[in-house]
Amino acid sequence: DVKVTQSSRYLVKRTGEKVFLECVQDMDHENMFWYRQDPGLGLRLIYFSYDVKMKEKGDIPEGYSVSREKKERFSLILESASTNQTSMYLCASKSGTSETDTQYFGPGTRLTVL
Amino acid sequence: GQNIDQPTEMTATEGAIVQINCTYQTSGFNGLFWYQQHAGEAPTFLSYNVLDGLEEKGRFSSFLSRSKGYSYLLLKELQMKDSASYLCAVLDSNYQLIWGAGTKLIIKP
Repeated sequence: DVKVTQSSRYLVKRTGEKVFLECVQDMDHENMFWYRQDPGLGLRLIYFSYDVKMKEKGDIPEGYSVSREKKERFSLILESASTNQTSMYLCASKSGTSETDTQYFGPGTRLTVL
Repeated sequence: GQNIDQPTEMTATEGAIVQINCTYQTSGFNGLFWYQQHAGEAPTFLSYNVLDGLEEKGRFSSFLSRSKGYSYLLLKELQMKDSASYLCAVLDSNYQLIWGAGTKLIIKP
């Protein structure tokens, strides 16, 4: 079974703090994704990566950056957290074998910025 | 723009059948996914349709009509554990997933 893990289930930070969200997958997947999920909205793609050290902006990259130094790990960084970044953050991974492969999700990190 | 529409919430009775609809307008189409997401948990894959028609997988079936930009997820013999949100997502011409907001399904005894 594919396993995607995220470093924290719940996180509370203060405005202006730097925040790191870590995601690790154990299936040697090439592609990894960071989404945020807010009530009444579909999942919105923040960044994705299709290989080590490669990154692409998604639909809402402003205020975020990412790092992929190793294939299994994809980090999301909030340089200076703001209250409008309070959300559920979901990491996903996908094999690079086919464009239509399923994405596998981690359990999510619920971030609250005070 | 790209748009996926699903009902926000539906209620059904244990043992019954429910159909969750999804309509989409996207730039290109390379398939449609359905995911299930229990409260506080990760979305998990249910089905993928790229050709028109009905695909059955146990109690769950998924239907696609590309000409109508329409899909539905059919859940039979509902169980309490089916209470969850059901997410529709379309793979567009760039192979990017466009997500609907999800349908929260409430099952009553």
